[in-house]
Amino acid sequence: GENVEQHPSTLSVQEGDSAVIKCTYSDSASNYFPWYKQELGKRPQLIIDIRSNVGEKKDQRIAVTLNKTAKHFSLHITETQPEDSAVYFCAASLASYDKVIFGPGTSLSVIP
Amino acid sequence: GAGVSQSPSNKVTEKGKDVELRCDPISGHTALYWYRQSLGQGLEFLIYFQGNSAPDKSGLPSDRFSAERTGGSVSTLTIQRTQQEDSAVYLCASKDRPSYNEQFFGPGTRLTVL
Repeated sequence: GENVEQHPSTLSVQEGDSAVIKCTYSDSASNYFPWYKQELGKRPQLIIDIRSNVGEKKDQRIAVTLNKTAKHFSLHITETQPEDSAVYFCAASLASYDKVIFGPGTSLSVIP
Repeated sequence: GAGVSQSPSNKVTEKGKDVELRCDPISGHTALYWYRQSLGQGLEFLIYFQGNSAPDKSGLPSDRFSAERTGGSVSTLTIQRTQQEDSAVYLCASKDRPSYNEQFFGPGTRLTVL
C-alpha cells in the first residue's frame, strides 16, 4: 500500500522567511496530493492540493511542487506569518480509489 | 450547511471495556474515513468506506477494532477490550465525489483508557 514520508518533523523560521516541507510517496499510481493544516486543538483543513498532471500550483503565499519521476512533492510558504504556525500534513491518494494516506506531519513555528 | 460531527467529544474508559465512537458525515458525501491521531503524532489511517463497496479495513491495528456504516451515512467505530495504547484522538472525515475533492474532518473524539 501507499506510504508517505515527510521532512522535517519540526521547523522553526523567523517571521517573513520562507518555509519548505518535503514529502515522498511510494505508490507510483498515486495521482492526487493534498496538503492539510492543523492548528492547535483544531481539525485538519485543506490548504492546497495538486494533481499529477501539474508540476506546480500556487495560491498567494503557498505553492506546491510535484516531481512524479522522483515521487517527491513539496510545500513552500513564503513571507511566513505567526498565524502560519501549525502542523502541516501532506497526503497521497489514487483518485479513482480515494484512499487518502497522510504523512507524519511537520510542526511549523513562525517566530515573530 | 452542517459539517462532520462526532460523538462523544471525550470518552474516558477503563482498560478492558468496549467503546463506540460515532461519526455523522456531511449529507450526501459518499466517502467516509476514520483516522487515529496519538498525542503529537500524525494521522494514522484506520478504515475507509466508499458508497456501497466493501470497506478498506487495511489500517485497523487489530481485530479489536471494527467499524460499520449504516445506510451509507452514519458510521460507528467500535473498540473492544480497550488497552491504554488505544488512547488517542479518533478523527472522522467525509468526502464527496469527484475524487479530487477536500476531505472534511470532524472535531474528533478524544479517547482516554485508564
